[in-house]
Amino acid sequence: KAGVTQTPRYLIKTRGQQVTLSCSPISGHRSVSWYQQTPGQGLQFLFEYFSETQRNKGNFPGRFSGRQFSNSRSEMNVSTLELGDSALYLCASQLAGQGGANYGYTFGSGTRLTVV
Amino acid sequence: AQRVTQPEKLLSVFKGAPVELKCNYSYSGSPELFWYVQYSRQRLQLLLRHISRESIKGFTADLNKGETSFHLKKPFAQEEDSAMYYCALSVQAGTALIFGKGTTLSVSS
Repeated sequence: KAGVTQTPRYLIKTRGQQVTLSCSPISGHRSVSWYQQTPGQGLQFLFEYFSETQRNKGNFPGRFSGRQFSNSRSEMNVSTLELGDSALYLCASQLAGQGGANYGYTFGSGTRLTVV
Repeated sequence: AQRVTQPEKLLSVFKGAPVELKCNYSYSGSPELFWYVQYSRQRLQLLLRHISRESIKGFTADLNKGETSFHLKKPFAQEEDSAMYYCALSVQAGTALIFGKGTTLSVSS
């Protein structure tokens, strides 16, 4: 079956602009998480959604937001882009919700965002 | 707060040598621990889950709650094992994965 799909693969934006990234989880997976990967900070958790509800949020400013749709697809939005937002943004999905068996997350290939 | 520490940024070994990638965690409860691997130009992939106690590609990892460690081991390294390895902790299914900074494993012949 298809894996986690993220679009677009690459984006170049200007400071001050906003951007929306998309993630389609594996069919049947209802939990979707977003991570930011940078050389300096490594992999940092942004937020996690389950059944259209944000259940967990990392330590990122309010400029970073997300949502999940009824088909489990998720979008992440970053407003007022800063140079430091340049990173690889990874989406991951999981079969079980909280309290279920933890099979670990399956990651997408990511969206490479460059802010100039 | 939960934290995962991978003390080595880079580990270089020769082909056929044993490998141990260290991972220590900080969490007062019973965590769920994972090893992820990222080969060059590929996506992050799940390698091992501690709850399954499986061996993948010859790698094993044992959870030591007394030492709060989850070290990844392989008796004989292969060149194709060269990659970035991340240790990660989850409190329970559906919650955030807390990653270590990663260790680059370089296996040379």
